[in-house]
Amino acid sequence: EVQVVESGGGLVQPGGSLRLSCAASGFSFSRSWMHWVRQAPGKGLVWVSYINSDGSRTGYADSVKGRFTISRDNAKNMLYLQMNSLRVEDAALYYCVPADLPWGQGTLVTVSS
Amino acid sequence: QSALTQPPSASGSPGQSVTISCTGTSSDIGAYNYVSWYQQHPGKVPKLLIYDVSKRPSGVPDRFSGSKSGNTASLTVSGLQAEDEAAYYCSSYAGSIVVFGGGTTLTVL
Repeated sequence: EVQVVESGGGLVQPGGSLRLSCAASGFSFSRSWMHWVRQAPGKGLVWVSYINSDGSRTGYADSVKGRFTISRDNAKNMLYLQMNSLRVEDAALYYCVPADLPWGQGTLVTVSS
Repeated sequence: QSALTQPPSASGSPGQSVTISCTGTSSDIGAYNYVSWYQQHPGKVPKLLIYDVSKRPSGVPDRFSGSKSGNTASLTVSGLQAEDEAAYYCSSYAGSIVVFGGGTTLTVL
């Protein structure tokens, strides 16, 4: 069974940092492109970042470029999102999304003073 | 990075068919056959319905079908059922990025 479990969310002050993690199982993680997608309460889905299967290619939404870094550890079947200089508008439920596979439950990031 | 354009709402009666459009540009939908569709019920995790324009993951009923023409992708829901009432989102690969549509709320009358 495909399973992705996100962790690392929480409450952080504006300007602070968080590192999200995603543990993957039940599929060939090392062959899968991975994405982070976020959803603010009551709002739509917003793509944040992707990383290709071997980690050599990444992409970011303009809104997070230069502040967020996506990475992966294929030996551990783990995906990460390092989020720096967080803004109030970054507050959302962050989903770890394996390409063309089921999503995780998400991890909630709250940015507030 | 402009979002894909979806109608805010759509509706149909049980048993009818409804088509939801998703309009992009020659840089996203028009350039790649990597369009996906997701269904999200309130408070639930989005569910993948369609990927690569028209492919269905196992377990997704064949009442859901996807297509593309030019810069516009479409999701058709046939034989509408009450449980189909949900929000639907499209997404497309666009080179170095991915873009989502704003979502369409489908109401089953």
